[in-house]
Amino acid sequence: KNQVEQSPQSLIILEGKNCTLQCNYTVSPFSNLRWYKQDTGRGPVSLTIMTFSENTKSNGRYTATLDADTKQSSLHITASQLSDSASYICVVSAGYSSASKIIFGSGTRLSIRP
Amino acid sequence: DAGVTQSPTHLIKTRGQHVTLRCSPISGHKSVSWYQQVLGQGPQFIFQYYEKEERGRGNFPDRFSARQFPNYSSELNVNALLLGDSALYLCASSLQVSNTEAFFGQGTRLTVV
Repeated sequence: KNQVEQSPQSLIILEGKNCTLQCNYTVSPFSNLRWYKQDTGRGPVSLTIMTFSENTKSNGRYTATLDADTKQSSLHITASQLSDSASYICVVSAGYSSASKIIFGSGTRLSIRP
Repeated sequence: DAGVTQSPTHLIKTRGQHVTLRCSPISGHKSVSWYQQVLGQGPQFIFQYYEKEERGRGNFPDRFSARQFPNYSSELNVNALLLGDSALYLCASSLQVSNTEAFFGQGTRLTVV
């Protein structure tokens, strides 16, 4: 069964600190992995997208890694800001056919405290 | 250029009623997908439409239906609403039916009482 598991479920850190969010997946065949940021009550916004051959991709203070062998990904946030408070969702696509093959994780709820 | 727009932003309905949610994709995008997101969980796939044809359906009852219009906008219809249908309904548009990057709208918050 295609699944995406994220950890931790929630995380609280102080402003300015770094953090790393984890994503493990059992999705086959693997097409790509994306990280989205979702503010409360809003739609998800894409941060990074990685294919099988990519193992690191950065977007400002966000750096995503992918280990296709162990089927793990991480999202590292550097020098956190209050605006980073949101849910971060790992999304894995199985194959190239359609949206029905896109599997969402439940997300990590990140809270940044001043 | 406008992003994905959804309407209404919030909606309150009573059990048994019917609801229609609307989505306008990014200009030039031909694929629209609908997702249901219950509080605290990730989005669950409901439907995908491409060129006015259904291209995928998730594990949702027949009370859920959708369609896509010639201008690529889309409607999601839910009949006989249940309390469990309360959720954020997200629409995503993409250029093609394949897994190219999807852009999400702000969502419609549906509350069933």
